[in-house]
Amino acid sequence: DAGVTQSPTHLIKTRGQHVTLRCSPISGHKSVSWYQQVLGQGPQFIFQYYEKEERGRGNFPDRFSARQFPNYSSELNVNALLLGDSALYLCASSLDPLVAGNTIYFGEGSWLTVV
Amino acid sequence: TQLLEQSPQFLSIQEGENLTVYCNSSSVFSSLQWYRQEPGEGPVLLVTVVTGGEVKKLKRLTFQFGDARKDSSLHITAAQPGDTGLYLCAAGGTSYGKLTFGQGTILTVHP
Repeated sequence: DAGVTQSPTHLIKTRGQHVTLRCSPISGHKSVSWYQQVLGQGPQFIFQYYEKEERGRGNFPDRFSARQFPNYSSELNVNALLLGDSALYLCASSLDPLVAGNTIYFGEGSWLTVV
Repeated sequence: TQLLEQSPQFLSIQEGENLTVYCNSSSVFSSLQWYRQEPGEGPVLLVTVVTGGEVKKLKRLTFQFGDARKDSSLHITAAQPGDTGLYLCAAGGTSYGKLTFGQGTILTVHP
């Protein structure tokens, strides 16, 4: 079975541009979450979607937005890119986020470099 | 806001040595996960612990969840170069699967 898949794997953008990152969860998983990982740090939570509704949002500016589609795939959008947005963006999926011990599986991430 | 503190931040050891990584917080967690991440890849789940006092073993790795569910440790016996990587602890609350990560421990095992 395929794991969490993300695209693109690497991309370079210029300051002020917009970027869209895509994620397909593990088959059967209805929960998708997004994390930002700056080099040398642990991932920071950005968004969580369950059953196509936003269920949680981390401490990120309104330039960051996301959505989940009927097939449970998801997009993360970032507008007006800043140099500080350069990071590894991780998508994770899980089966049932309301259950204690729910296991969260990560994709390999999308490396975004803003120049 | 839940805060996880991992220690040490860096660990450089020789092959065959033992090591322990700690993950501590003042908050109580419903579950705690340990991940290993290699450069350029996403975190890979090693274990999930749910019950206070729980001990889980995965080959040479031993994971322990504190009795009060506020802390955890990862012990590696006879480390090998293939163990090299970033080890992350992450706590899951009940808020729809949001994970709070520690800052990570970078482990380097020299042959």
